[in-house]
Amino acid sequence: DTGVSQDPRHKITKRGQNVTFRCDPISEHNRLYWYRQTLGQGPEFLTYFQNEAQLEKSRLLSDRFSAERPKGSFSTLEIQRTEQGDSAMYLCASSSGSGTATDTQYFGPGTRLTVL
Amino acid sequence: KQEVTQIPAALSVPEGENLVLNCSFTDSAIYNLQWFRQDPGKGLTSLLLIQSSQREQTSGRLNASLDKSSGRSTLYIAASQPGDSATYLCACEEDSSYKLIFGSGTRLLVRP
Repeated sequence: DTGVSQDPRHKITKRGQNVTFRCDPISEHNRLYWYRQTLGQGPEFLTYFQNEAQLEKSRLLSDRFSAERPKGSFSTLEIQRTEQGDSAMYLCASSSGSGTATDTQYFGPGTRLTVL
Repeated sequence: KQEVTQIPAALSVPEGENLVLNCSFTDSAIYNLQWFRQDPGKGLTSLLLIQSSQREQTSGRLNASLDKSSGRSTLYIAASQPGDSATYLCACEEDSSYKLIFGSGTRLLVRP
């Protein structure tokens, strides 16, 4: 098991373009989370999946953002019509979904998005 | 709304010193509290997780304490080393919400 992986690691795009990020969780982890981190700040929760169901979305996730987790495996996060304010590190995490207070979230290396 | 604050924002210490990082939270109804380490440009590595019913957790040179009633947690690092240089983040998991609420982190530099 190699942990949570994310692709790409870096993405530079022009304002108005669409971008898509992929996250592969630790195998057999039921829960998958997306966070966004800007420079000098802690990560902020965006959304979370229990298997293929998207159970919660933050108010930070505007209509331009959409996330999917088909078949409860990998997940994609798409940003449409990117804006300069979308520039950030996008972090994915997964957990076993044991439902206990020791259900640790394991984070991937992140995708750094720069919108020019 | 839960708010998590970390003080200080940055800390520079000489190698070998023992140090304490502080984390405070506004809502005591937490499920657990976790401490993470983040190296520049990298993802987060979980260091310690304290359940709401626990008072402390230890791993090697790290000890984390939790006082729910006062809304505080501390991360104690013994005999600091240059390899400990990183940003340390604390995060609260609220009851049944599963999402983590993070502080802004403490950027630690351990000087050789």
